[in-house]
Amino acid sequence: ILNVEQSPQSLHVQEGDSTNFTCSFPSSNFYALHWYRWETAKSPEALFVMTLNGDEKKKGRISATLNTKEGYSYLYIKGSQPEDSATYLCAFLTGNMLTFGGGTRLMVKP
Amino acid sequence: DTEVTQTPKHLVMGMTNKKSLKCEQHMGHRAMYWYKQKAKKPPELMFVYSYEKLSINESVPSRFSPECPNSSLLNLHLHALQPEDSALYLCASSQVLRQLYGYTFGSGTRLTVV
Repeated sequence: ILNVEQSPQSLHVQEGDSTNFTCSFPSSNFYALHWYRWETAKSPEALFVMTLNGDEKKKGRISATLNTKEGYSYLYIKGSQPEDSATYLCAFLTGNMLTFGGGTRLMVKP
Repeated sequence: DTEVTQTPKHLVMGMTNKKSLKCEQHMGHRAMYWYKQKAKKPPELMFVYSYEKLSINESVPSRFSPECPNSSLLNLHLHALQPEDSALYLCASSQVLRQLYGYTFGSGTRLTVV
């Protein structure tokens, strides 16, 4: 069983705050690390797929970094907005299997 | 069309019923997946299909029977389920296995077994 851990489990921030979450995963047999954003009653939406150690990706106010040697990835949100409220899932791809972490539930208060 | 469509959105079934969940995509993706998500838990992989052939079965009980009749359609046939099988069932697709783009997910079928 692959262990993909996310912290914190939930986070409440004020509008305008910047925040970050952590995903830890096995450092062996790594192929890719996915990040998804999942709003209630909607489909999970892919944010980033990261493959190379040291990779950094950015999409608007959201960015992510990857360390495959130590097995962690950070997701950063700059200047959080209420519409950023969602569950953020990371997922570890090895072989042909994508294994999800438990997610970080972000709530942004106006 | 950039969506994965799942039907029905909600399903209530008895333990002796037979029902099916349907998943459809028209993006030309050749890999399709079934995930099961229980409350407050991460989605768990059930089955993987690649080019309409079953590639991975994650030791799923035989009361769940997947079928991929063509490259656009993935079904999950349900029979003699237990109340603990109540969950959100998510379908996803990708261009191929191990691609370097994210999966496209449907919004899920919320299943309740009574």
